[in-house]
Amino acid sequence: NAGVMQNPRHLVRRRGQEARLRCSPMKGHSHVYWYRQLPEEGLKFMVYLQKENIIDESGMPKERFSAEFPKEGPSILRIQQVVRGDSAAYFCASSPTEENNYGYTFGSGTRLTVV
Amino acid sequence: GQNIDQPTEMTATEGAIVQINCTYQTSGFNGLFWYQQHAGEAPTFLSYNVLDGLEEKGRFSSFLSRSKGYSYLLLKELQMKDSASYLCAVSVYNQGGKLIFGQGTELSVKP
Repeated sequence: NAGVMQNPRHLVRRRGQEARLRCSPMKGHSHVYWYRQLPEEGLKFMVYLQKENIIDESGMPKERFSAEFPKEGPSILRIQQVVRGDSAAYFCASSPTEENNYGYTFGSGTRLTVV
Repeated sequence: GQNIDQPTEMTATEGAIVQINCTYQTSGFNGLFWYQQHAGEAPTFLSYNVLDGLEEKGRFSSFLSRSKGYSYLLLKELQMKDSASYLCAVSVYNQGGKLIFGQGTELSVKP
């Protein structure tokens, strides 16, 4: 049973370009969470999605960031017109239910570098 | 508001015991997690406490006091591979599986 898969592992974008980060949850998991980790900082919650629905996007910046989790395919975190401050590691995690009693599994992350 | 505090860094000696503290102030506390994160890697789940007391799992133990808003992670028989960042995180009622993380404690194990 494959774990949470994220790709790409590393992504370099020039300022102003778009970044698309993909997350395939564990088999049977319909709940996905995205977190951002800036250099030397802790993980910050961004968004929580279920299939085809955004449940909580309280951690998403108001502009340029969007997320989706379609009925088929991976969850996508999209950053438009990237800036240097977007450089960070982006992790996703998945769980089979809404409750998180056993510590969900994180993917290996996507390290975004904006040059 | 939500606030989680843990020391920024700690140093310990191989074979010793180290205790990493975490204090939190949250509304609707629903459980506390500890994760381990090696540099450049994903966080991995270590422990979960929802009731007061000590949970032991091999060399690692985690303690929770809900009345004091306090937890600690205890690592025994330290090994060099335990050098990592240790993240304290809380979950909150009615917010699904969302976790609020502290800054993390960078532990260095010296020979």
